Amino acid sequence: AIRMTQSPSSLSASTGDRVTITCRASQGISSYLAWYQQKPGKAPKLLIYAASTLQSGVPSRFSGSGSGTDFTLTISCLQSEDFATYYCQQYYSYPQNTFGQGTKLEIK
Amino acid sequence: EVQLVESGGGLVQPGGSLRLSCAASGFTVSSNYMSWVRQAPGKGLEWVSVIYSGGSTYYADSVKGRFTISRDNSKNTLYLQMNSLRAEDTAVYYCARDSDYYDSSGYPLGSDYWGQGTLVTVSS
Repeated sequence: AIRMTQSPSSLSASTGDRVTITCRASQGISSYLAWYQQKPGKAPKLLIYAASTLQSGVPSRFSGSGSGTDFTLTISCLQSEDFATYYCQQYYSYPQNTFGQGTKLEIK
Repeated sequence: EVQLVESGGGLVQPGGSLRLSCAASGFTVSSNYMSWVRQAPGKGLEWVSVIYSGGSTYYADSVKGRFTISRDNSKNTLYLQMNSLRAEDTAVYYCARDSDYYDSSGYPLGSDYWGQGTLVTVSS
C-alpha cells in the first residue's frame, strides 16, 4: 500500500500568516492527490484535487502544488475559519486510497 | 443541492452486526462511485469500501470478508452491512460521493460530498 506522510503533525500560527503543509508519498503518484479540511465533529471537505486544482467554492488563499512524491498545501493569509485539521489523500491506487495522518493547524 | 444523510450507527457487542444507511438527494447514487470512509476516535481517515457506478465493489483488507457495500437504486441509498464486528471497527463512518471529475484512467478525483457521519461503537 502507498503510505502518505504529512509534516508537521501540528502547527501553530496566527491569522494573516502564510502556512505550508507537506505531504510525501512512499512511491510516485503523479498528480493523483487531494487535500481535505476537517473541523471538529464535522465531515472532511474537499479543498484541492489533482494536486493543484481548487474545488469549486474554495477560497483562492488555498493552493496546492507538487507531483511525484512531494506535495504542498499553502494557505496564503490565514483566516480564523482555517484553523482545522488537514489531510492529504492519494488516489493513484484507486480504489485503495490512503490518507496522510493529518496536520492540526492551531491558533498561536 | 447534494445531501448525504447516514443512519444506523450505535453500540454493538463484539461479533455482532450492524447495517449503515446513507440516503442521498440531489444526485443519483447509481451514477457515481460511492465510498465509505471511517475515522476512529481521535485518529485519521481510513478508506473502507467503494461501489462503482457499474456495480463493482472493493474493500480495505481490514474489513474484507466482513463488510458488504450495496445500494438500492429505487431508494437512492447506499448501505454498509458490517458483520463480525471488532473493537477496532469503532469509528465514525462517513459515506462520500466520489467526484464526477475523472482522471485519464477513469477514476474519480477525490470525494466531493460527505455525509455527517454515524458513530459505531463495538464494545461489551
